Amino acid sequence: GAGVSQSPRYKVAKRGQDVALRCDPISGHVSLFWYQQALGQGPEFLTYFQNEAQLDKSGLPSDRFFAERPEGSVSTLKIQRTQQEDSAVYLCASSLGQAHQPQHFGDGTRLSIL
Amino acid sequence: ILNVEQSPQSLHVQEGDSTNFTCSFPSSNFYALHWYRWETAKSPEALFVMTLNGDEKKKGRISATLNTKEGYSYLYIKGSQPEDSATYLCALGLGNGANNLFFGTGTRLTVIP
Repeated sequence: GAGVSQSPRYKVAKRGQDVALRCDPISGHVSLFWYQQALGQGPEFLTYFQNEAQLDKSGLPSDRFFAERPEGSVSTLKIQRTQQEDSAVYLCASSLGQAHQPQHFGDGTRLSIL
Repeated sequence: ILNVEQSPQSLHVQEGDSTNFTCSFPSSNFYALHWYRWETAKSPEALFVMTLNGDEKKKGRISATLNTKEGYSYLYIKGSQPEDSATYLCALGLGNGANNLFFGTGTRLTVIP
């Protein structure tokens, strides 16, 4: 498809399990972003890639969160030893790379930690 | 963490009414202001990106204005329709090389038929 694709749409995991969330950006988009949206809040920045380089990971809440984009296209956000406070919608967005250009979002992955 | 505020938090209007809501942001850090519409079970959809003080953008019945000196943007919807029901998010871009956005908490609009 032409848009940003995220999988899975929904993920339920037990506390302590590891999870991996996938993002397939729009072809040709240089920039890729991950955001976390908790209930009742706006999306909050996690990390940013330009091609395969992770230029900013200042929003990752702990060292249990890890993101990669090894070939500059598909990205994976991994959360190790999940905690209940990790329950949120995880949004991926891609753009052509300039700050004044819109970001194109996927449908998100809704993660629930039991 | 930048404070991007949106008001009201939620809004109910009758079909056919016009409405508007506000996004305020720290004017000293401005580079670009983005508006998104987020319908339930869908992905956020880009509406506008504005960069210049005094910018006005329009898309159908929806328009937006920008005041970077005082740090606010208004989104207007003329003749609201039920399909306009969504959460409207504004986001601030700093343009300092990072390109990430700082979002407000959104205004949830419900248009009653």
